[in-house]
Amino acid sequence: AQTVTQSQPEMSVQEAETVTLSCTYDTSENNYYLFWYKQPPSRQMILVIRQEAYKQQNATENRFSVNFQKAAKSFSLKISDSQLGDTAMYFCAFMKHGPFTNMRFGAGTRLTVKP
Amino acid sequence: DVKVTQSSRYLVKRTGEKVFLECVQDMDHENMFWYRQDPGLGLRLIYFSYDVKMKEKGDIPEGYSVSREKKERFSLILESASTNQTSMYLCASSSNNVLTFGAGSRLTVL
Repeated sequence: AQTVTQSQPEMSVQEAETVTLSCTYDTSENNYYLFWYKQPPSRQMILVIRQEAYKQQNATENRFSVNFQKAAKSFSLKISDSQLGDTAMYFCAFMKHGPFTNMRFGAGTRLTVKP
Repeated sequence: DVKVTQSSRYLVKRTGEKVFLECVQDMDHENMFWYRQDPGLGLRLIYFSYDVKMKEKGDIPEGYSVSREKKERFSLILESASTNQTSMYLCASSSNNVLTFGAGSRLTVL
């Protein structure tokens, strides 16, 4: 079974600084997807960024980028120019390719952006 | 935008009660999911469904059942609620391998 590990339960960063959240996963699959989801306090979970394992190029969405190291099974999220609105729980998730598959999540990292 | 609506944001129930958590999505997605979210444990899959009347057990199905009579609606049922089922419950639907979540239902069992 696939597992997703987020080793940083909590992190903080100063506004406008850069922060990196770590994620590792374990799988024997070769074709899969990786995700970062964000859950602001008392608000809905939303997708931040998605990476397809067959793509070597790291995904980027505005201030959010990933460092995908397939051999090391590592998938970190970098947030540049942190904003107060980035304060949230961040979940790393894995989904293998194909029908009838479910998404597996890590335990989450609580990020606080300080003014 | 895809909308996933969970009927109740907060519920308080007593031990032994039957509890229904309802979820409706409006974008004709095939797949729907029920997760449970607990601090330090992340999200754990209870059940998912890839078609009407189809269901698959997730990682923690014990004590739960589900119903999918219509494509847009996926219900989670606690036949006899227990205190260890106090949690946040998240419903999601998916298309193209991306999950869209509802706002969550926080259930307290006394």
